[in-house]
Amino acid sequence: DTAVSQTPKYLVTQMGNDKSIKCEQNLGHDTMYWYKQDSKKFLKIMFSYNNKELIINETVPNRFSPKSPDKAHLNLHINSLELGDSAVYFCASSLATGDYGYTFGSGTRLTVV
Amino acid sequence: LAKTTQPISMDSYEGQEVNITCSHNNIATNDYITWYQQFPSQGPRFIIQGYKTKVTNEVASLFIPADRKSSTLSLPRVSLSDTAVYYCLVGATGGGNKLTFGTGTQLKVEL
Repeated sequence: DTAVSQTPKYLVTQMGNDKSIKCEQNLGHDTMYWYKQDSKKFLKIMFSYNNKELIINETVPNRFSPKSPDKAHLNLHINSLELGDSAVYFCASSLATGDYGYTFGSGTRLTVV
Repeated sequence: LAKTTQPISMDSYEGQEVNITCSHNNIATNDYITWYQQFPSQGPRFIIQGYKTKVTNEVASLFIPADRKSSTLSLPRVSLSDTAVYYCLVGATGGGNKLTFGTGTQLKVEL
């Protein structure tokens, strides 16, 4: 019973390619997020969606486009991949109000060569 | 969001109690203090959250003094499996509030 699941777990691709990472949560949460963890282990928020509506959009290149078909899914599409995009991408979810506890997925390690 | 400061690393031995202190001098009135644990190749995991005084659950205790400018995560009787990075965060509750992670504290537990 995986609460927040991401696919794929590993992704190796060449510069210039377009790739997508999928995320699904079965917790009934209203809000979902994408975080990026770089090689120095800093975790930075990229996007947040509340019930399919974009509510947080950090300074992220527009090559990154999140899509939320419903509140249980938040996918991340990346165009024209660059070497600097190599990182671990985490999806997370939480309730819209109250509890500050976020549930994270196990991450997708993206390597751009 | 209030900035947090915590030690970069700590070492301990199995069976000992470990206390990790986090400083957050600019904490706002409606901010909560939350701690996460991250193992290698895994996403962060929620450990404990509190607003003031003391909170305890089956995993840890969180001590928050009256001025709330710092907090201490206490892990009783650590084991090798507690080796992980521990993050202290402060912020308002609810989705839509950015969860901003600091550098975290790398705890290493040895035999």
